[in-house]
Amino acid sequence: EADIYQTPRYLVIGTGKKITLECSQTMGHDKMYWYQQDPGMELHLIHYSYGVNSTEKGDLSSESTVSRIRTEHFPLTLESARPSHTSQYLCASSEWGQPQHFGDGTRLSIL
Amino acid sequence: ILNVEQSPQSLHVQEGDSTNFTCSFPSSNFYALHWYRWETAKSPEALFVMTLNGDEKKKGRISATLNTKEGYSYLYIKGSQPEDSATYLCAFWDNYGQNFVFGPGTRLSVLP
Repeated sequence: EADIYQTPRYLVIGTGKKITLECSQTMGHDKMYWYQQDPGMELHLIHYSYGVNSTEKGDLSSESTVSRIRTEHFPLTLESARPSHTSQYLCASSEWGQPQHFGDGTRLSIL
Repeated sequence: ILNVEQSPQSLHVQEGDSTNFTCSFPSSNFYALHWYRWETAKSPEALFVMTLNGDEKKKGRISATLNTKEGYSYLYIKGSQPEDSATYLCAFWDNYGQNFVFGPGTRLSVLP
């Protein structure tokens, strides 16, 4: 059973606030990913990491940043939230070339 | 840039119908093809991992085939049930597992 956790599940917050979405996995996976998904739309990769101290931008440009200081932890930060950041954010992890295990997601609403 | 397509974009079938849909991917530098089921209000879950040309995988009423030479995979659902309603995603990996991309998905609705 996959063990990957995202917090919070839901967040409603005002414009201009700094936000950090947490993602942790207990499987020891090297690869971790962040996706953004609007209702009824495709998954878009916004960040990924191949291991500690490795971070790369994905296919979809995002104003968020990520860090990978520990293998199990891959937080995503928005320095100043805007209504355009309202979306669902999914975190995932995997071994090389293996299926990704997804967290339950964070639904973010910026007022 | 890897290009992965899925067709159809959406599909409505009656309960009991069998159905299939397609994932198309580059035929060069193939490493693996993954199928996922993504139910509403849940997260994507892996269905199949396919690595060899000619692979056929089966899980209950759902099966998948793989043709790496021509760059496509089919997902079949036999006797669709309402609980099969979901978006089905494929993910193509190339270059020894270094690069991947998800297809846009096929949204299946099974009507009772």
